[in-house]
Amino acid sequence: LAKTTQPISMDSYEGQEVNITCSHNNIATNDYITWYQQFPSQGPRFIIQGYKTKVTNEVASLFIPADRKSSTLSLPRVSLSDTAVYYCLVGPTNAGNMLTFGGGTRLMVKP
Amino acid sequence: GAVVSQHPSRVICKSGTSVKIECRSLDFQATTMFWYRQFPKQSLMLMATSNEGSKATYEQGVEKDKFLINHASLTLSTLTVTSAHPEDSSFYICSARDPQTARETQYFGPGTRLLVL
Repeated sequence: LAKTTQPISMDSYEGQEVNITCSHNNIATNDYITWYQQFPSQGPRFIIQGYKTKVTNEVASLFIPADRKSSTLSLPRVSLSDTAVYYCLVGPTNAGNMLTFGGGTRLMVKP
Repeated sequence: GAVVSQHPSRVICKSGTSVKIECRSLDFQATTMFWYRQFPKQSLMLMATSNEGSKATYEQGVEKDKFLINHASLTLSTLTVTSAHPEDSSFYICSARDPQTARETQYFGPGTRLLVL
C-alpha cells in the first residue's frame, strides 16, 4: 500500500479556498486516491475519489498531476463547519482491500 | 451514499467485562467489513478485516482472542472486546465496502466510544 504524507495541520479563514496536498510517491498503477473528512467523535466521511487529472463534486475538487505522485484536495470557500481532519488514502478499490490511514491534516477554519 | 451503522454509540463498562459492538450495512451487502481503533488525537488504526462466512484477518499486534470478530451475515459484523481493561478504552470504528458502487467506496460507521473503568 502506498504511503502518504500530508501536512499535520493548516489554518484558514472563512470564505477562503483551502488546498491540502498529499504526497504518495510510490503509488501503484491500480491505486486510486481517496479523501475522507473526520469530525471529532465521528467516523470518517467520504469526500472525493480520483485516479488522474481532475475530479469535482459538490463538496470539493481533487487535482492529480500526470505522474500521480501527489494530489491536492481543494475546498472552495470554507466555513467554520469545515474544521476537521482530512485524510488522504491511496490504494486499489477492489473489494476486500482495506484502507491504511496516515496522520491526516487537521484543518482549523477561523472566523 | 451508503449507510453504515454502529451500536452502541458509546459504552462504559467495568474492567474485566466483555463488550460487543455491532456494525451494520443498512442498504447494501458487504462481504467484507473492517474494524479500526482510534485513540485521541491519533489516526485510525486498522485492527482486523472481517470476512462474511470465514475467519477474520487480524493486523499484527492485535490479539484475536481478545478482539473477537464475527461476520455472520452480509450486513452484520460484531466486535467483542473480551475482558476489557482501561487501556482498551478507545473509539472503535467499522467500515464496509459497497461492491455495487462504481469504485467500491468504503463507508464508515459513526463509531463507538468505549470507556473501561
